[in-house]
Amino acid sequence: GQSLEQPSEVTAVEGAIVQINCTYQTSGFYGLSWYQQHDGGAPTFLSYNALDGLEETGRFSSFLSRSDSYGYLLLQELQMKDSASYFCAVKTGANNLFFGTGTRLTVIP
Amino acid sequence: DVKVTQSSRYLVKRTGEKVFLECVQDMDHENMFWYRQDPGLGLRLIYFSYDVKMKEKGDIPEGYSVSREKKERFSLILESASTNQTSMYLCASSFRAVQREKLFFGSGTQLSVL
Repeated sequence: GQSLEQPSEVTAVEGAIVQINCTYQTSGFYGLSWYQQHDGGAPTFLSYNALDGLEETGRFSSFLSRSDSYGYLLLQELQMKDSASYFCAVKTGANNLFFGTGTRLTVIP
Repeated sequence: DVKVTQSSRYLVKRTGEKVFLECVQDMDHENMFWYRQDPGLGLRLIYFSYDVKMKEKGDIPEGYSVSREKKERFSLILESASTNQTSMYLCASSFRAVQREKLFFGSGTQLSVL
């Protein structure tokens, strides 16, 4: 079977740094994506890693280690508006994206 | 601004009814997807389509069918709605090219089957 493991909840302080981990076990692997979803909103794309290493986009960075079947999303200088659910998703085929169950991030003052 | 529009935000139906969920995208995307989202289960793929009239089953296609007669429109059909199909339904679209990995999602339809 296929599985993605990510923590269900994370709490962090405004201005701090938080890392959300994702480990995967899938039948195929093309790359790892991250999506953000605010309560009542649509998931929005944050990043995609096909190769090992760190990708940075502003305050957000995403990392992938294919040999460890592991990735993470790093959020720096946390803001209250970053409170949301974050989903990792593995591209398992040309058109298949397998999602994790999501991590609910709460940013506190 | 790019847009994926789902016809209804909230829908209440009775068990046994035939239900149509409509999705329209204005980005000329080849791929379109239907997911359902349930607490603790994340997003699960029901069906996707990579071209007009083409469809492929996702992870949980049972009890659902789809229709794609035009490139911009992808419909999800519940032939005979059941209470276990109460869920948030999310439509998404993307370009087909391998390098273009970004999915654009609609705001979702919360379906309640009574």
